[in-house]
Amino acid sequence: ILNVEQSPQSLHVQEGDSTNFTCSFPSSNFYALHWYRWETAKSPEALFVMTLNGDEKKKGRISATLNTKEGYSYLYIKGSQPEDSATYLCAFIGSRLTFGEGTQLTVNP
Amino acid sequence: DAGVTQSPTHLIKTRGQQVTLRCSPKSGHDTVSWYQQALGQGPQFIFQYYEEEERQRGNFPDRFSGHQFPNYSSELNVNALLLGDSALYLCASSKTGTRYTDTQYFGPGTRLTVL
Repeated sequence: ILNVEQSPQSLHVQEGDSTNFTCSFPSSNFYALHWYRWETAKSPEALFVMTLNGDEKKKGRISATLNTKEGYSYLYIKGSQPEDSATYLCAFIGSRLTFGEGTQLTVNP
Repeated sequence: DAGVTQSPTHLIKTRGQQVTLRCSPKSGHDTVSWYQQALGQGPQFIFQYYEEEERQRGNFPDRFSGHQFPNYSSELNVNALLLGDSALYLCASSKTGTRYTDTQYFGPGTRLTVL
């Protein structure tokens, strides 16, 4: 069983706060890491596909970093807005594809 | 440009029955993956279809089977339903390419309830 863990499980922040959460994954047999954003009653939306150690990707106020040697990825949100409220999922691709359980973010106005 | 579509939206079945879920990929995509998401868990990979063949399979029993048609749409079949099969079933499509570095586009899911 591959352990892909996300922390924290849930997070409540105020509008304007910056926040970050973690995806931990096995450091062996790494092929790619995906981040998704999943709003309630909508489909999961791809944010980033990361493949190289040291990768940093950015999309607006959201960015992500990747460390394949130590087996973690961080997702950062700068200046959180209520519309950022969603569950953020990571998916580790090694010998098989394994999702974490997600971090549920709530941004209070 | 239509995104990934799934049907039906909701479905209620009883134990022992069989069910077929359907997925149409995003235009230009030829690879379809299926996931099961039980309450409180992340999506679990069931299998992936490409060129009408199952390319990879997750840790699911043979009761779960699939098919891909020449137009790239796909079906997920589950036989002998169990209560534990109650879940949201997601379909995702992607373009041919390096297998796991393609961005996947998800459909809205089919909510299956087994009574």
